[in-house]
Amino acid sequence: GQNIDQPTEMTATEGAIVQINCTYQTSGFNGLFWYQQHAGEAPTFLSYNVLDGLEEKGRFSSFLSRSKGYSYLLLKELQMKDSASYLCAVRDTKAAGNKLTFGGGTRVLVKP
Amino acid sequence: DVKVTQSSRYLVKRTGEKVFLECVQDMDHENMFWYRQDPGLGLRLIYFSYDVKMKEKGDIPEGYSVSREKKERFSLILESASTNQTSMYLCASSPREGRGIQYFGAGTRLSVL
Repeated sequence: GQNIDQPTEMTATEGAIVQINCTYQTSGFNGLFWYQQHAGEAPTFLSYNVLDGLEEKGRFSSFLSRSKGYSYLLLKELQMKDSASYLCAVRDTKAAGNKLTFGGGTRVLVKP
Repeated sequence: DVKVTQSSRYLVKRTGEKVFLECVQDMDHENMFWYRQDPGLGLRLIYFSYDVKMKEKGDIPEGYSVSREKKERFSLILESASTNQTSMYLCASSPREGRGIQYFGAGTRLSVL
């Protein structure tokens, strides 16, 4: 089975940086995904890591360390619209059909 | 753009009713998924399908069944709705190849009274 942990809630100020950590345990790792979900809306894909290192996409970056079972999502130059839940999800090598296991999500509140 | 469409945004049903939730995707994806999302519990996989007429149980299949008669359509069935099935239900699809990114529908908020 898989176990995925991420903080429940974080608060940050507009313009600042926030780092959301995700730790996981899996029998066979085959990729880690980050999704953003605004209240009442569908999750939308943000980033994908399968190799160690940093993936940068505009204001958002995601880092992976497979040996540590650890990832983080970095949100820079925070904007009010970044207030949302951020979901970490892991795919197992043995998972048929690209099945993902999701963490509980981290709700980020951006304050003016 | 990938589009995953769920037939209803809000549904109210009574205990014991049979409930159908429909999901259609327009990107010819092989894989389709049904999740429920509850506060504090995150997204939990109910069932998924990796091909027409194929289905696999997820983590919480009890009380649910699914149907995949056509590639683009994946239905979730609550045979006899119960109050503990009140939840947000999300459908997703993904291609078999590549990164396997899942694309989600807008969700159906089901209330069972």
